[in-house]
Amino acid sequence: DVKVTQSSRYLVKRTGEKVFLECVQDMDHENMFWYRQDPGLGLRLIYFSYDVKMKEKGDIPEGYSVSREKKERFSLILESASTNQTSMYLCASSLLPGQAYEQYFGPGTRLTVT
Amino acid sequence: LAKTTQPISMDSYEGQEVNITCSHNNIATNDYITWYQQFPSQGPRFIIQGYKTKVTNEVASLFIPADRKSSTLSLPRVSLSDTAVYYCLVGGDTNAGKSTFGDGTTLTVKP
Repeated sequence: DVKVTQSSRYLVKRTGEKVFLECVQDMDHENMFWYRQDPGLGLRLIYFSYDVKMKEKGDIPEGYSVSREKKERFSLILESASTNQTSMYLCASSLLPGQAYEQYFGPGTRLTVT
Repeated sequence: LAKTTQPISMDSYEGQEVNITCSHNNIATNDYITWYQQFPSQGPRFIIQGYKTKVTNEVASLFIPADRKSSTLSLPRVSLSDTAVYYCLVGGDTNAGKSTFGDGTTLTVKP
């Protein structure tokens, strides 16, 4: 079974802090994704990566950056956290290069920025 | 970019068949259609995927008409544990960032 793990299930940070969300997958998948999920807005893609050191912006990249130094690890960085970044963050991975379907999701990190 | 539209919510009773339709008028030639299920406090889980006509697995069936501008997820004989949010995803061609999740359909199964 594919396993996607996220560093924290719950996180509370203060406004202005730099926040790191870590995601690790154990199935040698090419693609990795970061989404945020808010009530009434569904899943929105922040960034994705189709290879090590490669990244592309999704629908809502503003206020976020990402890092993929190793194939199995994809980090989401909030440079200066703000209250409107309070959300559920979901990481996912998929096998086929350039393909988004059959994504395997982690359990999510619920981030609260106060 | 293939945007999708789904009903916001649906109610059903145990033992009934449930059909959830997703509209995707701008689907591209190489796009696939994928459905996910999400329970509270969990990440979405892959259910089924198709390109055209009909696909069936042990969990659901997916019906896609010839024009591919919509698709229908069919859940046979639902139970209370099928209460969840169901998402339709279209895309995944050569650029994963072109894939877009719909807003999801909240299915509530009643006893």
